[in-house]
Amino acid sequence: GAVVSQHPSRVICKSGTSVKIECRSLDFQATTMFWYRQFPKKSLMLMATSNEGSKATYEQGVEKDKFLINHASLTLSTLTVTSAHPEDSSFYICSANEDQTATYGYTFGSGTRLTVV
Amino acid sequence: GEDVEQSLFLSVREGDSSVINCTYTDSSSTYLYWYKQEPGAGLQLLTYIFSNMDMKQDQRLTVLLNKKDKHLSLRIADTQTGDSAIYFCAEEDAGAGSYQLTFGKGTKLSVIP
Repeated sequence: GAVVSQHPSRVICKSGTSVKIECRSLDFQATTMFWYRQFPKKSLMLMATSNEGSKATYEQGVEKDKFLINHASLTLSTLTVTSAHPEDSSFYICSANEDQTATYGYTFGSGTRLTVV
Repeated sequence: GEDVEQSLFLSVREGDSSVINCTYTDSSSTYLYWYKQEPGAGLQLLTYIFSNMDMKQDQRLTVLLNKKDKHLSLRIADTQTGDSAIYFCAEEDAGAGSYQLTFGKGTKLSVIP
């Protein structure tokens, strides 16, 4: 079945540095990928929709200059947390759909635990 | 790697009970979660169960866990049209501080008025 590979699984960085998280669709092409962030009580907030070859669509309240999304190919989307601060520490996860026309059947990456010290 | 499986669709009539099933492979799962996603939104945590429990009830929601068979279910009593959404099962392996969440593909629940 469809597999989404997300790396790194864990990262610790210093305040002020940038961190890049990669999400790859291994055996299918994904023109759209979704990025989520987990908040207390473990709900996952949709941050943005990544679109191959065009700008990402950010949800209200998400700083696009802070969370840079690049979807340069049909199999790779990246989320870069720029000038990271401790409040950016969270669990980030991506998802994609093998069937771009469907609204079901999403495949998730395994997530990235970011700790900013 | 670990795997979580759930059926993609479920259709029920309003007022009936819905049962969404999930199977997982990780024998060291610590927590198992159910999330609800409405169109265009994030994943709202509905409920969770610790791996040493076999049942948890929260208002209209009942979670059953069969750890031997690695089977998890979510029962929604008196299903309403507002329950129409995609429901994701997820398992967490918190062993050795690894904290990895593995999601199923989601079950799209359609409630027929």
